[in-house]
Amino acid sequence: DAGVIQSPRHEVTEMGQEVTLRCKPISGHNSLFWYRQTMMRGLELLIYFNNNVPIDDSGMPEDRFSAKMPNASFSTLKIQPSEPRDSAVYFCASRGLDRVAFFGQGTRLTVV
Amino acid sequence: GIQVEQSPPDLILQEGANSTLRCNFSDSVNNLQWFHQNPWGQLINLFYIPSGTKQNGRLSATTVATERYSLLYISSSQTTDSGVYFCAVGPGRSGANSKLTFGKGITLSVRP
Repeated sequence: DAGVIQSPRHEVTEMGQEVTLRCKPISGHNSLFWYRQTMMRGLELLIYFNNNVPIDDSGMPEDRFSAKMPNASFSTLKIQPSEPRDSAVYFCASRGLDRVAFFGQGTRLTVV
Repeated sequence: GIQVEQSPPDLILQEGANSTLRCNFSDSVNNLQWFHQNPWGQLINLFYIPSGTKQNGRLSATTVATERYSLLYISSSQTTDSGVYFCAVGPGRSGANSKLTFGKGITLSVRP
């Protein structure tokens, strides 16, 4: 298995632009998580899905952030419009019924 | 929500030394994982250990769920062990598909 695949690995965008981060979970996994990592706040859970359904989005900072999981093999995290304070590393993770979560390599987002 | 505290926050070791990293949590859990974030930012699974003891080479972990703590032991440390060690927990009353809450991590530096 290729593991959790995220794209792009790096994204540099201008303030106000729309940013879309993508994640392909491990095949057969039924839970998917989006985390954000910054020096100040550490690893924060933004949203997680079970069986493609959003379960807890209380960590989504504000309405500028949205996440979708149209099927079991794909999820997106969108920021519109982006702001410099959104600069961070965004991780996607997936988990199967054995409860072991695996992380992708992350997307480093820089908003200038 | 559940609170996760890791100690010590920073640790500097000479190569070959042993160390113990601690994770305390505020409520019962049905999921606990230890991760190593390497200098390239990758989050690597070390152990899934909601209870009991496991060993993998020079690393071992013990979770005493009734006392709400977990310990990660590193023996004969190597420079490649450097990085940040995270404990992540899932609350016990939420069933199998609960979210994972991370501690702030322990930064380990192993000097040659």
